[in-house]
Amino acid sequence: QSALTQPASVSGSPGQSITISCTGTSSDIGSYNLVSWYQQHPGKAPKLIIQEVTKRPSGVSNRFSGSKSGNTASLTISGLQAEDESDYYCCSYAGPTTWVFGGGTKLTVL
Amino acid sequence: QVQLQQSGPGLVKPSQTLSVTCAISGDSVSSNTAAWNWIRQSPSRGLEWLGRTYYRSKWYYDYAFSVKSRMNINPDTSRNQFSLHLNSVTPEDTAVYYCARYVGVSPGFDYWGQGTLVTVSS
Repeated sequence: QSALTQPASVSGSPGQSITISCTGTSSDIGSYNLVSWYQQHPGKAPKLIIQEVTKRPSGVSNRFSGSKSGNTASLTISGLQAEDESDYYCCSYAGPTTWVFGGGTKLTVL
Repeated sequence: QVQLQQSGPGLVKPSQTLSVTCAISGDSVSSNTAAWNWIRQSPSRGLEWLGRTYYRSKWYYDYAFSVKSRMNINPDTSRNQFSLHLNSVTPEDTAVYYCARYVGVSPGFDYWGQGTLVTVSS
C-alpha cells in the first residue's frame, strides 16, 4: 500500500481538462512544499513534470500545472492530447530523509 | 545533458545479494549539489524510495527504514558511478530498480536511469 493516495484511473476527451488528486498527511504533503509529479509511459522511466508543488521543469508543456491545499496535492492537465495518455505519480518529501510516492493514476484519453 | 546508465544481473537467488550499478555522465557522483538515489517499482509496492548518497565535504548515506538493515550504496569516484547492494533478498524484492538524481536547488528526481528488472527466484 502506497503512502500517498491517488485515484486508480481518470479519463477525458481531447481538449478537455482533468485533475488528479494526491492525498497524504500532515507529515508529508501537509508539512512540505516538496511535492513532485511524474509521467511514466509503459516500459519507460518516470519523467519529472512538476516540482515544488507548482513549478514546471524546462521543456515541460504549460498544459501541466500543480497545486496544493492542506494534505492534498493536485495535477491538472489542460487541453488533453492523445500523447498525455500515461501513468502519473505524485511524490512528497516525508522527512527525515524519506520520500513517499502515490500508487499512480492511469490517464486514458478517450 | 545528464545521463544515467544502469547495469546489473536480472536474476538473483533468494538469500543472495542484489547489485545494480549506475554510471553517470554529464555530472559527478561527488557533486556538491546533487544526491544520487535508488528507487524501485513493483506491482505490489508501487514506487518506493530506497536510499541515497551525496557528497558535502564527506560522504553521506540515507536509507529507507524498510531496507536499512540490508542495503548499502557505494559511490565510486574513479568510475563516476554508484552502486546498490541489497542483501538477503526474497521474492518480495523482485522489482524494477531505478537510479535517479535529486538536486536540492531544484527539488525533484530530475534524471533517471533506464531501469533494471531484477527477479529474485531460485
